Amino acid sequence: EAQVTQNPRYLITVTGKKLTVTCSQNMNHEYMSWYRQDPGLGLRQIYYSMNVEVTDKGDVPEGYKVSRKEKRNFPLILESPSPNQTSLYFCASSSIPTGPGNTIYFGEGSWLTVV
Amino acid sequence: QKEVEQNSGPLSVPEGAIASLNCTYSDRGSQSFFWYRQYSGKSPELIMSIYSNGDKEDGRFTAQLNKASQYVSLLIRDSQPSDSATYLCASPGSQGNLIFGKGTKLSVKP
Repeated sequence: EAQVTQNPRYLITVTGKKLTVTCSQNMNHEYMSWYRQDPGLGLRQIYYSMNVEVTDKGDVPEGYKVSRKEKRNFPLILESPSPNQTSLYFCASSSIPTGPGNTIYFGEGSWLTVV
Repeated sequence: QKEVEQNSGPLSVPEGAIASLNCTYSDRGSQSFFWYRQYSGKSPELIMSIYSNGDKEDGRFTAQLNKASQYVSLLIRDSQPSDSATYLCASPGSQGNLIFGKGTKLSVKP
């Protein structure tokens, strides 16, 4: 079954404590990305990766890091989380290019609360 | 910067009615559009895609694209309470991503 798997699904952490949200896909997709979703602001892209060792900033990259050492994995790293990073996070993957016959698949989401 | 705009709603329709969800986009060169449904706290799931002008039907769902007016819509016939969700319109961006609208919240009343 085609899947994008994120962990953890739910996390409460404290300001400044480094955390990593893992993401793995089993569809051999080149393209992976992270979105955050906040009320009234919709889905906003944090970082994306076109392929292994190729990453780039999305619309809201501040406070986040990513890495793409393997095709299937794309972890999101919060080096020093702050309360304004409290959000619902989605990992997504797709083949390139995104367009006719090809769309983005989302993970189930990770609820992150920073206190 | 490509933009996709949606009315945030909420849009309320009675059970059995037609729900009409609308989306406009800024990039005249956009070729494809996607409609995602998102239940509260869940991930978006693809329900329709459309690439050509005109209508595309899939069961109770019809997507309509008018490239001249830069307008795409989603009609849901015989709306059911289970259709109550937020509907996201999206179009490919220049970075291999999707540009999403902020979504329209649909409520179908029994």
